[in-house]
Amino acid sequence: GAGVSQSPSNKVTEKGKDVELRCDPISGHTALYWYRQRLGQGLEFLIYFQGNSAPDKSGLPSDRFSAERTGESVSTLTIQRTQQEDSAVYLCASSSGLAGDTDTQYFGPGTRLTVL
Amino acid sequence: AQSVAQPEDQVNVAEGNPLTVKCTYSVSGNPYLFWYVQYPNRGLQFLLKYITGDNLVKGSYGFEAEFNKSQTSFHLKKPSALVSDSALYFCAVRDPYSSASKIIFGSGTRLSIRP
Repeated sequence: GAGVSQSPSNKVTEKGKDVELRCDPISGHTALYWYRQRLGQGLEFLIYFQGNSAPDKSGLPSDRFSAERTGESVSTLTIQRTQQEDSAVYLCASSSGLAGDTDTQYFGPGTRLTVL
Repeated sequence: AQSVAQPEDQVNVAEGNPLTVKCTYSVSGNPYLFWYVQYPNRGLQFLLKYITGDNLVKGSYGFEAEFNKSQTSFHLKKPSALVSDSALYFCAVRDPYSSASKIIFGSGTRLSIRP
């Protein structure tokens, strides 16, 4: 595709419910990243995929958070039993992932999650 | 381990004046360095990057950044600020020689340009 897309753009949910956030990376990009950005704050790294595997998931804040990627393409970030502190914008980025490449990341517009 | 620091949470500049947003990094080898900008209610946009070669890198919207290896810095600059430059700026670093390495982002600097 032309750019990274994310869906939904906005999600309002009730505390305790599960949510799924989707990211479609740029076609051919093997590296995919998820970040969380709380209001007015910096980027908080969550997880990094190279292909379908996740060599670095050190940023996932708790076992309520999980992510998967299939077909070296679409990725879903799942938050189970959402809490109010999960409210944030969740950003996805992709890059070529090629060894020795500059690996410039291209970001999607984000999903704004609000937990009531 | 690689890391990046943006020592200023906020930078305030009058329109027309030069601006500098500071960034320092730590990486074992020669780094790849990036600047991203985030305008209000929008996603991050790539601004510029340093890979190798000329230490002065020119990017979008009239911004440039200077790589200084001895000071391990990559400060973002613009000769004449515009009100429309007001945004959140992120510096990022990647160690190109580390397999499966990820880009590390700084905490961000909010740039405010007053008319």
